[in-house]
Amino acid sequence: GESVGLHLPTLSVQEGDNSIINCAYSNSASDYFIWYKQESGKGPQFIIDIRSNMDKRQGQRVTVLLNKTVKHLSLQIAATQPGDSAVYFCAEAYYKLSFGAGTTVTVRA
Amino acid sequence: GAGVSQSPSNKVTEKGKDVELRCDPISGHTALYWYRQRLGQGLEFLIYFQGNSAPDKSGLPSDRFSAERTGESVSTLTIQRTQQEDSAVYLCASSKTDTTGNYGYTFGSGTRLTVV
Repeated sequence: GESVGLHLPTLSVQEGDNSIINCAYSNSASDYFIWYKQESGKGPQFIIDIRSNMDKRQGQRVTVLLNKTVKHLSLQIAATQPGDSAVYFCAEAYYKLSFGAGTTVTVRA
Repeated sequence: GAGVSQSPSNKVTEKGKDVELRCDPISGHTALYWYRQRLGQGLEFLIYFQGNSAPDKSGLPSDRFSAERTGESVSTLTIQRTQQEDSAVYLCASSKTDTTGNYGYTFGSGTRLTVV
């Protein structure tokens, strides 16, 4: 069946460094992708999205890259800060969202 | 309201009791979704409502689970005869729809259900 997965369950990053979180998806019909951040005890918070007709989109300190050829999505966080520590989920949308298990990002001071 | 509102935020119930969870979507969002998140895990799709179309119930884990939505407003998720494995955070999300598809997915803070 279709699935969305994250390559690494955990990522430890030095404060100030850049972070890269990767995600693979399998439904070639998905046309919309979203990255969410989830802090403990809270619901997922939207970070950035990208449609399938794009391969890159930038936000504030974040960039999402989409490679439809290999069905790969990544989130880059520039100058990682302690407040970036959270679980990050990628989600693909055909009409409903399908989520991977998440990557836990820990920022070291 | 400005965001997706869920109530209650926490619910402790005894095994075998029924519970109702409520979701108020963002005004104007035609699509509404329920997800379940067990501790330390990802989000598991439960059910999807889109306008007046028949809901997609393909994620409901058993017939003890049901959900309703009136028009494009409030939705309730009902779990009958709760079991301990139903303990989880139940998240609701809503989104807009236009000719480009669904977008603007926004989540509520969830209801943490504990079955004792």
